[in-house]
Amino acid sequence: RKEVEQDPGPFNVPEGATVAFNCTYSNSASQSFFWYRQDCRKEPKLLMSVYSSGNEDGRFTAQLNRASQYISLLIRDSKLSDSATYLCVGGTIFGQGTELSVKP
Amino acid sequence: EPEVTQTPSHQVTQMGQEVILRCVPISNHLYFYWYRQILGQKVEFLVSFYNNEISEKSEIFDDQFSVERPDGSNFTLKIRSTKLEDSAMYFCASSEIRTATNEKLFFGSGTQLSVL
Repeated sequence: RKEVEQDPGPFNVPEGATVAFNCTYSNSASQSFFWYRQDCRKEPKLLMSVYSSGNEDGRFTAQLNRASQYISLLIRDSKLSDSATYLCVGGTIFGQGTELSVKP
Repeated sequence: EPEVTQTPSHQVTQMGQEVILRCVPISNHLYFYWYRQILGQKVEFLVSFYNNEISEKSEIFDDQFSVERPDGSNFTLKIRSTKLEDSAMYFCASSEIRTATNEKLFFGSGTQLSVL
């Protein structure tokens, strides 16, 4: 059975903090990995792809460790607008999401 | 910016009735998906569709469910005899390509199905 596991949180952090999310996947055949963001009662929106070589987009950095079947997302200098649920995806399978709440 | 559109945004039905949820994927996309999300739970994969046939389906996608691409633009999910537990947000998604390293999904805004 294919599974993607995440810590559901919530992570409550102050503005400007650095926060890291982790995710593990069970299907070693998965080839594509992503982080999505979901705001309350809205559709998931693609945040970034995840590669073994690492992928950085502004304040966001994603990393894939195939040996450990582990994916990470790092958010630096967090903003109030980063408050959302972050979904880890392996292939077509979503994790349960990690809730982030950034406080002033 | 092109987007996936879903109709209706909210559907209310009686238990045992058939419902059809409609989606218009992004026009140059080739792969289509249905997901559902029960309130407070994770986004669950139902089915993927390519070249007019199902390419993958989950154990949730039983005989009550079917998908169809009746014309060049619409992609539908039919639930034959709805149950209370089918109440959820149903998301349609599409992707342009499906390679080993690139299967970016673009989601519609969802149809909230309420079964009474």
